[in-house]
Amino acid sequence: DTGVSQDPRHKITKRGQNVTFRCDPISEHNRLYWYRQTLGQGPEFLTYFQNEAQLEKSRLLSDRFSAERPKGSFSTLEIQRTEQGDSAMYLCASSRWASGKSYNEQFFGPGTRLTVL
Amino acid sequence: GESVGLHLPTLSVQEGDNSIINCAYSNSASDYFIWYKQESGKGPQFIIDIRSNMDKRQGQRVTVLLNKTVKHLSLQIAATQPGDSAVYFCADLLRGFGNEKLTFGTGTRLTIIP
Repeated sequence: DTGVSQDPRHKITKRGQNVTFRCDPISEHNRLYWYRQTLGQGPEFLTYFQNEAQLEKSRLLSDRFSAERPKGSFSTLEIQRTEQGDSAMYLCASSRWASGKSYNEQFFGPGTRLTVL
Repeated sequence: GESVGLHLPTLSVQEGDNSIINCAYSNSASDYFIWYKQESGKGPQFIIDIRSNMDKRQGQRVTVLLNKTVKHLSLQIAATQPGDSAVYFCADLLRGFGNEKLTFGTGTRLTIIP
């Protein structure tokens, strides 16, 4: 257990429905990342926050996706009008970032597995 | 685009033997290379990293080698144990304006044979 938790662990939904996932990072971590992982592939970067500010979004993050981190602690990832191609594992990671420091290790949560029927 | 890829999708090793997992990368500007282990139903777990100005780094039972000439990275696991069975990913990290975005490869499934 890395200390990063995600909820729910599994979500099955019908195409067209909206879903929301939650990530609780390690408490003192100022950075929070979202990744998506499809079967047999490595995780792909979606977006990241420093405290409550969303600093970068991948081209993978279509307009149907939105992420928030309102108080700089937990984060939510919402997918609107889900499509079958959204089926994947959604991973959250957090790190304690400091400028000038060597690699700031990202600690991953267990992920939320989304299945869109 | 830039990518990090792996040579072999699967690897089977006898328990107690050493294993070597290879990875090729294309982004010569990467600052760090990191190996992650992912067990079934879990998120990736950090194993070891190596800075781009190093050739070798050792951890507990693991060694990472970096050959920048041929853009090749390897993870050596000594005296493999059943708990080493997992999918292993290499990832590269490029620092730009404070962002630390990991780019992962496809992964190699390591199976330890008892």
